[in-house]
Amino acid sequence: SSELTQDPSVSVALGQTVRITCQGDSLRSYYASWYQQKPGQAPLLVLYAKNKRPSGIPDRFSGSTSGNTASLTITGAQAEDEGDYYCNSRDSSGHPVVFGGGTKLTVL
Amino acid sequence: EVQLVQSGAEVKKPGESLKISCEGSGYSFSYYWIAWVRQMPGKGLEYMGIIYPADSDTKYSPSFQGQVTISADKSTNTAYLHWSTLTASDTAIYFCARRGGDAGIFDSWGQGTLVTVSS
Repeated sequence: SSELTQDPSVSVALGQTVRITCQGDSLRSYYASWYQQKPGQAPLLVLYAKNKRPSGIPDRFSGSTSGNTASLTITGAQAEDEGDYYCNSRDSSGHPVVFGGGTKLTVL
Repeated sequence: EVQLVQSGAEVKKPGESLKISCEGSGYSFSYYWIAWVRQMPGKGLEYMGIIYPADSDTKYSPSFQGQVTISADKSTNTAYLHWSTLTASDTAIYFCARRGGDAGIFDSWGQGTLVTVSS
């Protein structure tokens, strides 16, 4: 199956650690990438490959994979981390063809 | 700086045609795949398809095959998304995004184009 499953919502207290998960068979073969989207904005790549962050993404964002589950962890969540988070997986041609349904993160 | 700049919001009637655009700058446009991603109101991201401007090799998601046409003009560094017959269910924000090299990621996004289809 090429589907990716995410929890619809998760909340975290300011400064605490939160994990957002993504499940799918393709994750046994390929690393997930993660995108943050704030209201009215385009998505922003925050994590990819084994645990790589694009320039400008804080190091409180980290990633891991176990079996068919990829996780995005935010250590010390900040108010500006609120938004929707989407995982994505590639196909055999390397195209990022599948998005998870998204997780809405609320920072309390 | 890599930039993808999309055309402005559109309001169309059912049955009309539409082509929206995405102009790339700050990199070799021809040699990076460009994808289109749909976001329906209040919903998640959906991959529609992708094109390689250098030779116009195009792949479509099965969900969008036959529903839209993706094209590119490498002489103007512009990718396009075209509908021949719009329906109300095409109402959405459409993003273009650059596939970043071999990493299988979207490393740069356009600002999005809101398409509203209403009678």
